[in-house]
Amino acid sequence: QVQLQQWGARLLKPSETLSLTCAVYGGSMRGYYWTWVRQPPGKGLEWIGEINHRGRSDYSPSLKSRLTASIDTSKNQFSLRLTSVTGADTAVYYCARGEFGELESWGQGTLVTVSS
Amino acid sequence: EVVLTQSPGTLSLSPGERASLSCRASQSLSNSYLAWYQHKPGQAPRLLVYGTSHRATGIPDRFSGSGSGTDFTLTISRLEPEDFAVYYCHQYGISPYTFGQGTKLEI
Repeated sequence: QVQLQQWGARLLKPSETLSLTCAVYGGSMRGYYWTWVRQPPGKGLEWIGEINHRGRSDYSPSLKSRLTASIDTSKNQFSLRLTSVTGADTAVYYCARGEFGELESWGQGTLVTVSS
Repeated sequence: EVVLTQSPGTLSLSPGERASLSCRASQSLSNSYLAWYQHKPGQAPRLLVYGTSHRATGIPDRFSGSGSGTDFTLTISRLEPEDFAVYYCHQYGISPYTFGQGTKLEI
């Protein structure tokens, strides 16, 4: 049973860079898509982007200019960087795993708050 | 991008009743890459159904998915108290992948 554990800074100021990492325990990173999803307070889920074990990534167009996903298969980890954050980026951020894009394993979620 | 519209926004039912949740896509999902998730406060979402109609591991058979093209449905045959939550559909066939806005299932 794969487990995902995520961490990163929880309080940021506007214009700073959001950085989150997700560690994968109990499974290989090969053959899966490693995905980031967020949920702003009081709103629904938003797909942010994904990366596969080869480093091929795909991003939400609304975030693409500020977003970088990376993967380190030697450490069984993948990461997210979102630059120039604003209050609109305040959300619970989740990492997740999917074989074809469906998300069958999830991290615990990290509430990231952007406030001056 | 594919817009997923879920209806109703809120569904009020009682334990033992049948629930039908709808998800309509703005364009055809010809590969049927449509999933449903259950989301409770303070928890990560839980995959219920993938590929339109395949139950995920460990999901009770009271949950079933159906549909094709642009119209998809999640049916819960007999509601249990633990089923009251928010449900999201998610298409992962056409990039960028998208979620519906959610249906809140309440008692």
